[in-house]
Amino acid sequence: DQQVKQNSPSLSVQEGRISILNCDYTNSMFDYFLWYKKYPAEGPTFLISISSIKDKNEDGRFTVFLNKSAKHLSLHIVPSQPGDSAVYFCAARTSGSARQLTFGSGTQLTVLP
Amino acid sequence: SQTIHQWPATLVQPVGSPLSLECTVEGTSNPNLYWYRQAAGRGLQLLFYSVGIGQISSEVPQNLSASRPQDRQFILSSKKLLLSDSGFYLCAWSVQYEQFFGPGTRLTVL
Repeated sequence: DQQVKQNSPSLSVQEGRISILNCDYTNSMFDYFLWYKKYPAEGPTFLISISSIKDKNEDGRFTVFLNKSAKHLSLHIVPSQPGDSAVYFCAARTSGSARQLTFGSGTQLTVLP
Repeated sequence: SQTIHQWPATLVQPVGSPLSLECTVEGTSNPNLYWYRQAAGRGLQLLFYSVGIGQISSEVPQNLSASRPQDRQFILSSKKLLLSDSGFYLCAWSVQYEQFFGPGTRLTVL
């Protein structure tokens, strides 16, 4: 049972345009959501996060939106740059001492120059 | 600042051989530690996590094991590797909300 789903395995966007990556979840106990960026043969790097008590968080070119009623979050990148080309994972956390994350399967973003 | 190290970076092992991957964290105390595996074309699968020395929780049944002999050291082991153990293994740490990942180990079992 996949509790965090990224239904688009890949996305291509022109440089300078907006990239929108989507993520759906099923577990209503998730209280914190994160986005990670991963280049091949490297560990994921943390990008941006959002608490379940908020519906938007912005950091530079990156904005994460959370729609709790739809159990949906999205990552917007504006403007997209070729260096943004990577696999993007969304992750969700349940409260508790272990702070485990459940990851989606990832979306490969390709920004075309 | 905190840093996380993993070694080796790449490893090729025959089926049936043992495995030991090591992860160490610097610059933080009493972190939660995690082992993940990314199989080819797949997402990140949590294998083990630890909230303290000697405390290991397993997320999936498998022929792998983990140990935490020191506060900032996390080891992933196997007595006999299977072909299906091939993948990209990632160690991560957290203190607050975010997890921070190491550079990973590419394991190929032949």
